[in-house]
Amino acid sequence: DIQMTQSPSSLSAFVGDRVTITCRASQNIRSFLNWYQVKPGKAPRVLIFAAASLHSGVPPRFSGSGSGTDFTLTISSLQPEDLATYYCQQSYSTLWTFGQGTKVEIK
Amino acid sequence: QVQLVQSGAEVKTPGASVKVSCKTSGYSFSAYYIHWMRQAPGQGLEWMGRINPNRAGTNSARKFQGRLTLTRDTSISTAYMELSSLTSEDTAIYYCATTHVNGDYTIDYWGQGTLITVSS
Repeated sequence: DIQMTQSPSSLSAFVGDRVTITCRASQNIRSFLNWYQVKPGKAPRVLIFAAASLHSGVPPRFSGSGSGTDFTLTISSLQPEDLATYYCQQSYSTLWTFGQGTKVEIK
Repeated sequence: QVQLVQSGAEVKTPGASVKVSCKTSGYSFSAYYIHWMRQAPGQGLEWMGRINPNRAGTNSARKFQGRLTLTRDTSISTAYMELSSLTSEDTAIYYCATTHVNGDYTIDYWGQGTLITVSS
């Protein structure tokens, strides 16, 4: 199975800060990479699909980049409502896998 | 609009099975895969498997092979997830979800989640 490794596992930043989360795949997954946001008590929501495409209705402060094995989710200016856990997920393989998650907290 | 409505919370004893339903509306049920994920308390998201509603073909994560059964009833646009031989480690919120925008490569719509508690 393809392993997805995120870093850091958690971070704390100020409102307005630029935040970067990385995700590494155990093998080449081309651009079959999605990013999801999970808020406490709510169902997940897709932010970025195909590594760099912004999903409908997602604020433009979110962006994604990368291909192959290394990917990045960036929040250009952290907002209070971005308090959540973020997951990368590969859909290159028939058997999907998620990263372990990155918890984002507001200082 | 696209909606996925799951069955309600359940409490099961170790060794039992559970079957969760996912009723869909607002789109052509047979056109898009249904995926199942779960999130245990304090843990991350875990992909369990998927079903092609058109042909009923399924794929399951290796750790669930042998005790996960995915089915569907196209007449009522509903998918089902059955997990057997439950242990306390299966206590989690279970989600059904479907793909739309990016073929079968991205989850666009999620059910509200079903809490399954396994306890003696």
